[in-house]
Amino acid sequence: QLHLQESGPGLVKPSETLSLNCSVSGASINSDVTYWAWIRQSPGKGLEWIGSLYYSGSSYYNPSLKSRVTILADTSKNLFSLKVRSVTAADTAIYYCARGEPFVWGRGTMVTVSS
Amino acid sequence: NFMLTQPHSVSESPGKTVTISCTRSSGSIASYYVQWCQQRPGSSPTTVISDDNQRPSGVPDRFSGSIDRSSNSASLTISELRPEDEADYYCHTYDSDSHEVFGTGTRVSV
Repeated sequence: QLHLQESGPGLVKPSETLSLNCSVSGASINSDVTYWAWIRQSPGKGLEWIGSLYYSGSSYYNPSLKSRVTILADTSKNLFSLKVRSVTAADTAIYYCARGEPFVWGRGTMVTVSS
Repeated sequence: NFMLTQPHSVSESPGKTVTISCTRSSGSIASYYVQWCQQRPGSSPTTVISDDNQRPSGVPDRFSGSIDRSSNSASLTISELRPEDEADYYCHTYDSDSHEVFGTGTRVSV
């Protein structure tokens, strides 16, 4: 059964880099029949797509975040990661990782940006 | 890029049926598959419809999805409403640049 688990610091200081991992069990992130994604949800708000990573190695990002975001795969550990640089309070959110089509979601991890 | 617009909220009594619309602002709703997810209060989202109208394993057949080319919209229908169906529902799809787009979300009250 496919399972995704986010991990990383729950508190990040403004201007620093937010780093999260998504550990995948029950499937290989090398699969060529799907993609892997990060989505976030600010308190009381809707879902916002951050970016996606495909088997080919191609990555696609939300234009509003593209300049600050990187998504990479670590096939040796069967996980994919998210980095958001130069964070501000507006980056405070629950961050979810997911497998695409059909989406299978992780449980999410809350990240607060505060000094 | 395009937007997916949903009604802010819908309310119906237990046992009844609700339908939530998801209207695409530009481009055809039929271009790429639409998915629907359910997010109960305090929980992570779970997918209830994929590929426009397919139910993932474990999703009851009270949930159904469809698309309507004439209105350029997708719809999620929940029949025989139960209290546990009370949640936020989001549609989502992607564009030709592989950018995922989420709908504005609908709060269903039972």
